[in-house]
Amino acid sequence: SQQGEEDPQALSIQEGENATMNCSYKTSINNLQWYRQNSGRGLVHLILIRSNEREKHSGRLRVTLDTSKKSSSLLITASRAADTASYFCATEETSGSRLTFGEGTQLTVNP
Amino acid sequence: NAGVTQTPKFQVLKTGQSMTLQCAQDMNHNSMYWYRQDPGMGLRLIYYSASEGTTDKGEVPNGYNVSRLNKREFSLRLESAAPSQTSVYFCASTRLTGGEDTQYFGPGTRLTVL
Repeated sequence: SQQGEEDPQALSIQEGENATMNCSYKTSINNLQWYRQNSGRGLVHLILIRSNEREKHSGRLRVTLDTSKKSSSLLITASRAADTASYFCATEETSGSRLTFGEGTQLTVNP
Repeated sequence: NAGVTQTPKFQVLKTGQSMTLQCAQDMNHNSMYWYRQDPGMGLRLIYYSASEGTTDKGEVPNGYNVSRLNKREFSLRLESAAPSQTSVYFCASTRLTGGEDTQYFGPGTRLTVL
């Protein structure tokens, strides 16, 4: 079964607005990662947050992690039409070298 | 660097046919992975190879076999294809240093089984 569950499944916003996506997971983790997938392409890594970190920034991306609630959020500020893609969270469990992916959030940014 | 490459890009099979999906990486990564992605879903791990010479089952291994040919190459074989194996298949690799390993993905193979 999927470790991560993402919310919402789909999000449609206007250019310039902020987009927030949430991810919940079930087990203890080493880190949580966010990936982006453009239509018909492979996944591209965006940002990684370790289990002992609470917040991390990279450009217009802000990720938070709450290990007590087993949840994370990805915020994209000042969105652009080019941000239109599917976004997936993935968790690396403490038990091994594998990532478990959520089902993704489809983000549409309208120009 | 080409990164992670996959062949073929597209394939149509009939039920019962066999085929091998090829994956290669030129980043000197230790670990390699095969995932499948079905419409509207995330990725599910089929098999992985944590290091050269080892392979392990993932979440959905039934109907598949893998070979870690060398450090660069990791192939996925469907011995007798079934319509339920219609999917997009992604190969990925990572260095696997512990703690901050991110995965690099290939462009995918779109497989249809009739």
